[in-house]
Amino acid sequence: SYVLTQPPSVSVAPGKTARISCGETNIGSKVVHWYQQKPGQAPVLVIYYDTDRPSGIPERFSGSNSGKTASLTISRVEAGDEADYYCQVWDSSRDHLHWVFGGGTKLTVL
Amino acid sequence: EVQLVESGGGLVQPGGSLRLSCAASGFIFSNYHMNWVRQAPGKGLEWVSYITSGSSSIFYADSVRGRFIISRDNAKNSLHLQMNSLTDEDTAVYYCARGGRDHAEGAFDIWGQGTMVTVSS
Repeated sequence: SYVLTQPPSVSVAPGKTARISCGETNIGSKVVHWYQQKPGQAPVLVIYYDTDRPSGIPERFSGSNSGKTASLTISRVEAGDEADYYCQVWDSSRDHLHWVFGGGTKLTVL
Repeated sequence: EVQLVESGGGLVQPGGSLRLSCAASGFIFSNYHMNWVRQAPGKGLEWVSYITSGSSSIFYADSVRGRFIISRDNAKNSLHLQMNSLTDEDTAVYYCARGGRDHAEGAFDIWGQGTMVTVSS
């Protein structure tokens, strides 16, 4: 089955840049979305179709996708960015079409 | 305001059934594909089921196929998840989430607050 690999945790100092990866053999040929989830809250879409930002999401959030890795980059990290981040892909390669989420990455702001 | 509100969660015994509902408002519900996503305590997100805007296509995760049934009523702006043969592995917060309009791979841009389902004797 389709498995998306994310690092369990990433730590970054305030004002620095955080990069969260999402790996799979051929992810560059897929559409990737990213979600932010803070404790006790529902997920929020932060990047869609690899690189697009929904309205209301700061420009500090950006995405890329190529080859075996998709990435979410958060520039000038703030304390309020501390959350779990999930990548998501639509897998149409099997008989049973389905969505796949990565295992999630906990971003800690030092 | 665009909003999704889930209901129907609660405590159920193993082998039992439960029906979740999701009320949509603030947008043209019949234009959007919809999803259920769950999150077990302390765990990550798991996609559960998907239904197209007109109910013509339905997909399930392997973990729930044959036990769960997704449906929608566009006249009532509502989404449902009938859950049967529940096990403790189904214990989770269940979210309804709005998908794309025209493409299956559209992002989940609106989420409800979630409803907790606990399967325990």
